[in-house]
Amino acid sequence: GENVEQHPSTLSVQEGDSAVIKCTYSDSASNYFPWYKQELGKRPQLIIDIRSNVGEKKDQRIAVTLNKTAKHFSLHITETQPEDSAVYFCAASIGGATNKLIFGTGTLLAVQP
Amino acid sequence: EAQVTQNPRYLITVTGKKLTVTCSQNMNHEYMSWYRQDPGLGLRQIYYSMNVEVTDKGDVPEGYKVSRKEKRNFPLILESPSPNQTSLYFCASSEIQGRNTEAFFGQGTRLTVV
Repeated sequence: GENVEQHPSTLSVQEGDSAVIKCTYSDSASNYFPWYKQELGKRPQLIIDIRSNVGEKKDQRIAVTLNKTAKHFSLHITETQPEDSAVYFCAASIGGATNKLIFGTGTLLAVQP
Repeated sequence: EAQVTQNPRYLITVTGKKLTVTCSQNMNHEYMSWYRQDPGLGLRQIYYSMNVEVTDKGDVPEGYKVSRKEKRNFPLILESPSPNQTSLYFCASSEIQGRNTEAFFGQGTRLTVV
């Protein structure tokens, strides 16, 4: 079946450094790639998404890049802050016309003050 | 306020005792789904529904049932819970297929089956 692989599973950075999380997907028809942030004990919340017709999208300190040829996409967080500490999930839509998402296994990001 | 509401938030039950976790959304979303979250496995889809009376299996449907009699509600039913269904469950909703919009998650239900 289709899957999404996410790396690393844990990431520790110093405050102010950058963090990068990478995902690869298997479904060639995937055209929507959201990223969710889940703080401890909370629900996942969308932080940024990208559609297959663009290669990069930026929102303040967060950016996502997409390489459709290689089937991988990445989340970049610059100038990390302690409040960025959370679990981050990537996801990819399955098939071209559904809301069905396949999620990665998550990355626990710890930003050390 | 736009939201997805799950109940209960926490539940401890015994093996074999039927239970239902409710999910309701007030955003008039057509698409609703249930996920379970387990350490190291991420979020895995259990069942989804594209509209009233239209439901389909996700990746891990065994041991679960759902129904979609009304657009706003999408309950998850465990007819005979077993310990391997101990998990954190999330309901989510989003707009209809083809637009791939944001999925809004409920606050989660932590289920323990002993």
